[in-house]
Amino acid sequence: AQSVAQPEDQVNVAEGNPLTVKCTYSVSGNPYLFWYVQYPNRGLQFLLKYITGDNLVKGSYGFEAEFNKSQTSFHLKKPSALVSDSALYFCAVRDMRDYKLSFGAGTTVTVRA
Amino acid sequence: DAGVTQSPTHLIKTRGQQVTLRCSPKSGHDTVSWYQQALGQGPQFIFQYYEEEERQRGNFPDRFSGHQFPNYSSELNVNALLLGDSALYLCASTEGGNEQYFGPGTRLTVT
Repeated sequence: AQSVAQPEDQVNVAEGNPLTVKCTYSVSGNPYLFWYVQYPNRGLQFLLKYITGDNLVKGSYGFEAEFNKSQTSFHLKKPSALVSDSALYFCAVRDMRDYKLSFGAGTTVTVRA
Repeated sequence: DAGVTQSPTHLIKTRGQQVTLRCSPKSGHDTVSWYQQALGQGPQFIFQYYEEEERQRGNFPDRFSGHQFPNYSSELNVNALLLGDSALYLCASTEGGNEQYFGPGTRLTVT
């Protein structure tokens, strides 16, 4: 079985401040980890992934995430948030031996000007 | 390069009816997955199609069925609709099994 937990329903930050969205996962084998963003009435947009290699992965729009195997975490970060980053963010995991993606419940990010 | 496309955008059906949703994958992608996203929740995996076969299925009843065509496009069929089937249905495509690219979704409302 595989699962994802996003402990914060909402994250509020001021524009220009660092943004962190937390994610922990559970998977039997080796994890493939992903972050997606969803804007209102839209599908999910891929941000970044961890498959193997460097624990720090860089993605679209200045986002990055750090894979921590011992803490089973994959937190999303952005050094300086923009108002346009306000959206719903999903963390997802796939066991490397599996095909399905399992998503967290999502974290709503609000960046105030 | 066209991304994943889905049709229709919105759909309203009555309990007990049947519905078919359609998906065209991103160019070059041969694998299609379907997800159900209820309001305020993360997407839930329904099933994945590869080489016109259902490769894996999530925890959904047999009322949910699908098909993949030789051109890799796919359909999701739901029979005997329930009020609880109201959701955003997302199609995702991939090639090589890594990141999945999602379409804009079909909003299904069951009354």
